[in-house]
Amino acid sequence: GNSVTQMEGPVTLSEEAFLTINCTYTATGYPSLFWYVQYPGEGLQLLLKATKADDKGSNKGFEATYRKETTSFHLEKGSVQVSDSAVYFCAHRRYSSASKIIFGSGTRLSIRP
Amino acid sequence: GAVVSQHPSWVICKSGTSVKIECRSLDFQATTMFWYRQFPKQSLMLMATSNEGSKATYEQGVEKDKFLINHASLTLSTLTVTSAHPEDSSFYICSATGQGLSGANVLTFGAGSRLTVL
Repeated sequence: GNSVTQMEGPVTLSEEAFLTINCTYTATGYPSLFWYVQYPGEGLQLLLKATKADDKGSNKGFEATYRKETTSFHLEKGSVQVSDSAVYFCAHRRYSSASKIIFGSGTRLSIRP
Repeated sequence: GAVVSQHPSWVICKSGTSVKIECRSLDFQATTMFWYRQFPKQSLMLMATSNEGSKATYEQGVEKDKFLINHASLTLSTLTVTSAHPEDSSFYICSATGQGLSGANVLTFGAGSRLTVL
């Protein structure tokens, strides 16, 4: 079936550290892949996305590359900031924006000053 | 950008009562709305998909008589938890998709509604 598995949290890092949050998926066909971020008290926001193999999504210093061969979409950032503290969700979706999104369990990230 | 507003953000009710949660798209027409449920430290689980003017499509295992979804207009969908029980306590999140002011497709999430049933 369709599913998303991501790294369990919480993850605690010092400011300016390198971040990786792993995400793998199972899906039929070629889904679009997403990372969403949920800041405290707010709704989910799209952080970045990739719609086909080898695409790299990037935003706010975060990057993730659509790896079809390993069915992965790991999130990385070279130097995290305190303001990056949030919960990060990996997700995939087939077809169009009207199709349902399958989410991972979320990874809570805390950055120490 | 596109905004989806959920209300209330937090509600506490007694067991056996019904609770209604609203989801509004503020600056776009939401042709499709999704309702999710999130348990602590778990993923968002899709409950149902609703298209404006038609009946909602529920995911397997979700009781449609328990979780009533109405999508009567292009800017409003409601989720009513009927005869709520403590096990219904959860975080409910809606998302909406449609055409934004720019004409591009948008998919936007609300901030969620936390339901606590005593």
